[in-house]
Amino acid sequence: AQSVTQLDSQVPVFEEAPVELRCNYSSSVSVYLFWYVQYPNQGLQLLLKYLSGSTLVKGINGFEAEFNKSQTSFHLRKPSVHISDTAEYFCAVSFTSGTYKYIFGTGTRLKVLA
Amino acid sequence: NAGVTQTPKFQVLKTGQSMTLQCAQDMNHNSMYWYRQDPGMGLRLIYYSASEGTTDKGEVPNGYNVSRLNKREFSLRLESAAPSQTSVYFCASSEIHRAKETQYFGPGTRLLVL
Repeated sequence: AQSVTQLDSQVPVFEEAPVELRCNYSSSVSVYLFWYVQYPNQGLQLLLKYLSGSTLVKGINGFEAEFNKSQTSFHLRKPSVHISDTAEYFCAVSFTSGTYKYIFGTGTRLKVLA
Repeated sequence: NAGVTQTPKFQVLKTGQSMTLQCAQDMNHNSMYWYRQDPGMGLRLIYYSASEGTTDKGEVPNGYNVSRLNKREFSLRLESAAPSQTSVYFCASSEIHRAKETQYFGPGTRLLVL
């Protein structure tokens, strides 16, 4: 079955520390991968996406993610977080063939502590 | 550009009441989507409109109807609200209905059904 898993529901981290938010997917066909961010009381906005090519993808606000096909993962990283990065982060996957599906993970709440 | 706008921002209904959630986008996008967001479940697709004049069911369509009024507007109707429909509703749009497309989200409507 096609699915996306974000194992960490909450991640607390101190300001200026590095962070990694994990995302794993399950699919029998090739995928497109996305990370969206949701700030409090707002809609989701795209951080970055992987469609093809280089497996290291750079996004807005200093975030990057690496597509690892063998591990079926697309983890999001930032070397030094700010208070303003406090938000909920959603991984999403869609599929290069078959019926249209755009599946969101359950989200990881990043809390940056001063 | 306002992007994707949604009205109302908040609504409280009694069981059995009806209401319509409005969504409009000014990006000249062809495709529009309605999602619901529930704690621990991520976003789930209710209905979508791949292009003006078409609508299709998503993952959780029961209890909802939609209307693609024109290219800009896509409304979601609850004919007889139930407590299980308490949720945050997001409208989104994309340039075309394709798996690699970024989706652009509105700020959401918070609905409480008593």
